[in-house]
Amino acid sequence: RKEVEQDPGPFNVPEGATVAFNCTYSNSASQSFFWYRQDCRKEPKLLMSVYSSGNEDGRFTAQLNRASQYISLLIRDSKLSDSATYLCVVINQAGTALIFGKGTTLSVSS
Amino acid sequence: NAGVTQTPKFRILKIGQSMTLQCAQDMNHNYMYWYRQDPGMGLKLIYYSVGAGITDKGEVPNGYNVSRSTTEDFPLRLELAAPSQTSVYFCASSSTGNQPQHFGDGTRLSIL
Repeated sequence: RKEVEQDPGPFNVPEGATVAFNCTYSNSASQSFFWYRQDCRKEPKLLMSVYSSGNEDGRFTAQLNRASQYISLLIRDSKLSDSATYLCVVINQAGTALIFGKGTTLSVSS
Repeated sequence: NAGVTQTPKFRILKIGQSMTLQCAQDMNHNYMYWYRQDPGMGLKLIYYSVGAGITDKGEVPNGYNVSRSTTEDFPLRLELAAPSQTSVYFCASSSTGNQPQHFGDGTRLSIL
């Protein structure tokens, strides 16, 4: 099992759709989790941290399931500007093992 | 604040040449990282540093060297450039190892 695996893409959705991405991780000692967004040929940018109790930021909701070792990202009311690649990041407790998923590509069309 | 600054933004090298990719951050972050990203692929960690004077290998360190003489700077050195090192290189920093990383806007390197 790969250390961090993400849903294969691309996801092609119309504007206004709700879309969800999952990311599974293999190291149960992992302590910190994030979702990043990367636009084509640009640097990754932090979208949101993922907390144990789940957290929401506008149209975006992130959840963590430690028992099943996965994190999720839900995007409601998709916008054209949401088109990007979404990367999940899993970090171990010491902060010395940072694993990026390969990313899931989202394409929102009008 | 400038955040994380990488120079140069683009570079073309000939096989066997050497160069240094510069990275500087002004956020007083202890942790700094170098990644490479090949087309259509995920980020791979080359080297990281947890503070001045301390560096360690990541997943793909071969062909690269780093130094960390100050908190602000974390240069990446390619000694003998090879075509396999054609990639986009990102530098990142964070305050601690389990905090979000801030990325520079990358160096696009082609080796011909």
